[in-house]
Amino acid sequence: DTEVTQTPKHLVMGMTNKKSLKCEQHMGHRAMYWYKQKAKKPPELMFVYSYEKLSINESVPSRFSPECPNSSLLNLHLHALQPEDSALYLCASSQEPPGGLNWETQYFGPGTRLLVL
Amino acid sequence: SQQGEEDPQALSIQEGENATMNCSYKTSINNLQWYRQNSGRGLVHLILIRSNEREKHSGRLRVTLDTSKKSSSLLITASRAADTASYFCATEETSGSRLTFGEGTQLTVNP
Repeated sequence: DTEVTQTPKHLVMGMTNKKSLKCEQHMGHRAMYWYKQKAKKPPELMFVYSYEKLSINESVPSRFSPECPNSSLLNLHLHALQPEDSALYLCASSQEPPGGLNWETQYFGPGTRLLVL
Repeated sequence: SQQGEEDPQALSIQEGENATMNCSYKTSINNLQWYRQNSGRGLVHLILIRSNEREKHSGRLRVTLDTSKKSSSLLITASRAADTASYFCATEETSGSRLTFGEGTQLTVNP
């Protein structure tokens, strides 16, 4: 199984809502990532989890809260978002964390397209 | 900040033609990768070339790397309509802590 799955595929939320994005991989990968991608732009790294611990936070606003309940799951909790947070949120995984074996090759999920009204 | 710049931003060709995309970067790198993204979907890893390699092939893909010019090119031969997608280069800097993606090239292959 070389697949990263993400749910939901689409999400519309108001600025006062609380929602969560979910990501799952069953490849035994030790690192998982959240990226944000605006239209016609490259992905921008948000968070990196290495061995279920947060290892990189790219100065992301606290209205985005990541969580890694176990080695296969990664969540992104959303609260009080702004319309400019509307984007495609991509989850990815790699065999090892940054600096480890084959970490550079990342496997991406299909993304969650988020619209904040 | 994104260190990769890709050229051209958009490329439109006919099926059967070759497509060449270029990527330039600013810092020293361990390796460079190319990813493909179909519209609104996740990225798919295509090929990785390490800093001590100059050329690599995978099927219809040919990647070159010139570390002295800090540039790479991706050649897709005998293109197909299914190759229509955005193509991103991604570099791993020598600090080795994150990938940095280029701005991407939107390739359209017309049947």
